[in-house]
Amino acid sequence: AQSVSQHNHHVILSEAASLELGCNYSYGGTVNLFWYVQYPGQHLQLLLKYFSGDPLVKGIKGFEAEFIKSKFSFNLRKPSVQWSDTAEYFCAVRDDKIIFGKGTRLHILP
Amino acid sequence: DTEVTQTPKHLVMGMTNKKSLKCEQHMGHRAMYWYKQKAKKPPELMFVYSYEKLSINESVPSRFSPECPNSSLLNLHLHALQPEDSALYLCASSQSGTGSPGELFFGEGSRLTVL
Repeated sequence: AQSVSQHNHHVILSEAASLELGCNYSYGGTVNLFWYVQYPGQHLQLLLKYFSGDPLVKGIKGFEAEFIKSKFSFNLRKPSVQWSDTAEYFCAVRDDKIIFGKGTRLHILP
Repeated sequence: DTEVTQTPKHLVMGMTNKKSLKCEQHMGHRAMYWYKQKAKKPPELMFVYSYEKLSINESVPSRFSPECPNSSLLNLHLHALQPEDSALYLCASSQSGTGSPGELFFGEGSRLTVL
């Protein structure tokens, strides 16, 4: 079965720093990839998704992710983070069902 | 705000109680999901309904019983739960059935405490 791993469990950055969160999935074929965000006390929201086409995907709030098929990766990036980006970030993959990674807790220092 | 509505937001129940969690969406989505999320953990899939039929049951104990009365509603019936079942229960929906591409739209969750 498909699985997804996130390398960073807890990341602390200062405002304006650049962000990259790693995500790898276990095997190839046709996959749909997602990044979700969960702000404190709020519901899970979709940041961005990749189904096919341009491997560089732009999402909401200035986030982007790059699908690299040869590396089975879908890393999330943001050039300059803000305090309001403090949240938990989940990478997810779908083959017949959507499976979530363990999550990365991001803390932005003001 | 999310377009997936879950009630109640909080529920406290004893181990001998019977209660239900409810979920509703009016986006015309054809797949609905129950996930369980423990603190500081990712959501874990429990059940998937696709076109109102149960398509995935992730070996969930029978004390959890899902029901999909129609394409807009999803219930989770709870009976004889254990304290370790305390968690945030998330409902989600997606436009197409399982196996089709499409993102999940999540509700805010029902926080369950079993005493």
